[in-house]
Amino acid sequence: QKEVEQNSGPLSVPEGAIASLNCTYSDRVSQSFFWYRQYSGKSPELIMSIYSNGDKEDGRFTAQLNKASQYVSLLIRDSQPSDSATYLCAVNGESGGSYIPTFGRGTSLIVHP
Amino acid sequence: DAGVTQSPTHLIKTRGQHVTLRCSPISGHKSVSWYQQVLGQGPQFIFQYYEKEERGRGNFPDRFSARQFPNYSSELNVNALLLGDSALYLCASSAGWDDTQYFGPGTRLTVL
Repeated sequence: QKEVEQNSGPLSVPEGAIASLNCTYSDRVSQSFFWYRQYSGKSPELIMSIYSNGDKEDGRFTAQLNKASQYVSLLIRDSQPSDSATYLCAVNGESGGSYIPTFGRGTSLIVHP
Repeated sequence: DAGVTQSPTHLIKTRGQHVTLRCSPISGHKSVSWYQQVLGQGPQFIFQYYEKEERGRGNFPDRFSARQFPNYSSELNVNALLLGDSALYLCASSAGWDDTQYFGPGTRLTVL
């Protein structure tokens, strides 16, 4: 059973701070990794994808991947109240010739003014 | 360009009934995946279809089935509904079977 683990939170940070969201995964052969944001009652929306070890930056968001440690994280700089949402980590792992995506349960982020 | 569309938005059924959910992918996308999301959990993978063939199947009972049509739209069918099938059903499309997935708005299914 492939697993993706996230701290359910809530993670509470003040406006303007850096929010750090973490995710670990069990399948060593995983190839691609994604962070989605989900507002309450809405569907997930893609924030970032990352495929190689290291950092990938997009605006206020930075994804970090360490395949040796089976760890992927998302940093949100200058956090805004509008960033308050659940953040889902997703990992694509190969199984029987197909990529089976596995999601974590998500981390709830609260950015307070 | 239109994003992923799903219908209906909401649905109420009773135990034992059958339900069909529909999804249209982003134009040009050939892969559709279905997920079930219960409150407080992440999406659980049900099926992936690519070029009208099943590419992946999650750990769901045979009551769940799906298909993809020549225009790449897709249907998810659930037979003999149980109370535990109440969830948000999400459809995601991608260009290829291993590409980034983009989600539709979901169908909220309530089983009474």
